[in-house]
Amino acid sequence: DVVMTQSPLSLPVTLGQPASISCRSSQGLVFSDGNTYLSWHQQRPGQSPRQLIYRVSNRDSGVPDRFSGSGSGTDFTLRISSVEAEDVGIYYCMQGTHWPYSFGQGTKLEIK
Amino acid sequence: EVQLVESGGGLVQPGGSLRLSCVASGFTFSSSWMNWIRQTPGKGLEWVATIKDDGHDKYYVNSVKGRFTISRDNARDSLYLEMSSLRVDDTAVYYCARGGGWTCNLWGQGAQVIVSS
Repeated sequence: DVVMTQSPLSLPVTLGQPASISCRSSQGLVFSDGNTYLSWHQQRPGQSPRQLIYRVSNRDSGVPDRFSGSGSGTDFTLRISSVEAEDVGIYYCMQGTHWPYSFGQGTKLEIK
Repeated sequence: EVQLVESGGGLVQPGGSLRLSCVASGFTFSSSWMNWIRQTPGKGLEWVATIKDDGHDKYYVNSVKGRFTISRDNARDSLYLEMSSLRVDDTAVYYCARGGGWTCNLWGQGAQVIVSS
């Protein structure tokens, strides 16, 4: 099974400052159709997860443009250009290339 | 409103059975692959099962194979998860979610399942 490893697991950030979360997969995530099925999900306190980014770098509808995704192969990054209070929560990367699909352990973003 | 609403969670004894339901609204359910994903404090998020839009193909994580069955009724815009031979480590919040591995772009609010004697 593909193991997704995130770092850091805890991320204290000052409001207005940038933040970056790394995600590494134990296998390459390029599917046979040439696409890379790596997505990012945000879970705010007390809420269900919500997808922010799909196929590495595509923002979902309604997701602020301060969120961006990048990477290839086995190394991926979620960046927040300027953290806002509403960004507090846990962020998960997810691979949808190899069954069973799998999530990272989560990175908890908090405001300093 | 585009949403998924789960129901059917609860407390069950080890070895027991439970059926989760998920009703979809606001989108074309019959064209959507659907999934069950569970979350525990210890193991985090775990993909449980996926069903193709027409219901003909189903996929399960090894730990639930032979015990859980995913199904759907496209006429009722509904997704189901039949769980049997439940174990303590099946205790989790179970989410219904839309999409295949390429995107998981809508999640329900979750249903709590507690397996305990």
